[in-house]
Amino acid sequence: SYVLTQSPSVSVAPGKTARIPCGGNNIGSKGVHWYQQKPGQAPVLVIYNDSDRPSGIPERFSGSNSGNTATLTISRVEAGDEADYYCQVWDTDTDHQGVFGGGTKLTVL
Amino acid sequence: EVQLVESGGGLIQPGGSLRLSCAASGFTVSSNYMNWVRQAPGKGLEWVSVIYNSGNTYYADSVKGRVTVSRDKSKNTLYLQMNSLRAEDTAVYYCARDTTAAGFFDNWGQGTLVTVSS
Repeated sequence: SYVLTQSPSVSVAPGKTARIPCGGNNIGSKGVHWYQQKPGQAPVLVIYNDSDRPSGIPERFSGSNSGNTATLTISRVEAGDEADYYCQVWDTDTDHQGVFGGGTKLTVL
Repeated sequence: EVQLVESGGGLIQPGGSLRLSCAASGFTVSSNYMNWVRQAPGKGLEWVSVIYNSGNTYYADSVKGRVTVSRDKSKNTLYLQMNSLRAEDTAVYYCARDTTAAGFFDNWGQGTLVTVSS
């Protein structure tokens, strides 16, 4: 089955830019989606189809996807952005299955 | 307003069975792709199952043969029947809606905790 790889943690100072990568074999050919999850809360969709933002998500959140890496970028990071971030694809190559990356903990210094 | 409310979680012994429910409001369950996603304590998200609006169902390899997803049109509710439960099934179970059938989850419930332990 398809595998998505994320770094366990990323740290960034407030006001700086955080980049959270998600690796997968030829992931550029798939639609990648990103979720933010804060402690004790359900996940929230922040980016879908590589780079689209749902309504209500700040423009500071953006995404890109090419080759073997998709990236979630958070500009002008705020303390409230501290959370776990998960990438996700829908795999239909072998079966119809959702696939999540292992998640990245974003720490705001 | 779209709302998903899970219930049915609890403490269950290994080998036991449990049925989770996800009551929906603000939209029609049977017209949407509906998913179950779980999260073991302190771990990441794991996709479990989907039921398409066509009624087709698909499962993660980790639960295939032990879990059945279904829905009740009259109650506008999604279900997850879980059998032969194992300690590794311990998790918060979320139901999630895929509004556009594009493979992402834009509405989530608050989750229900299933603990498998003797």
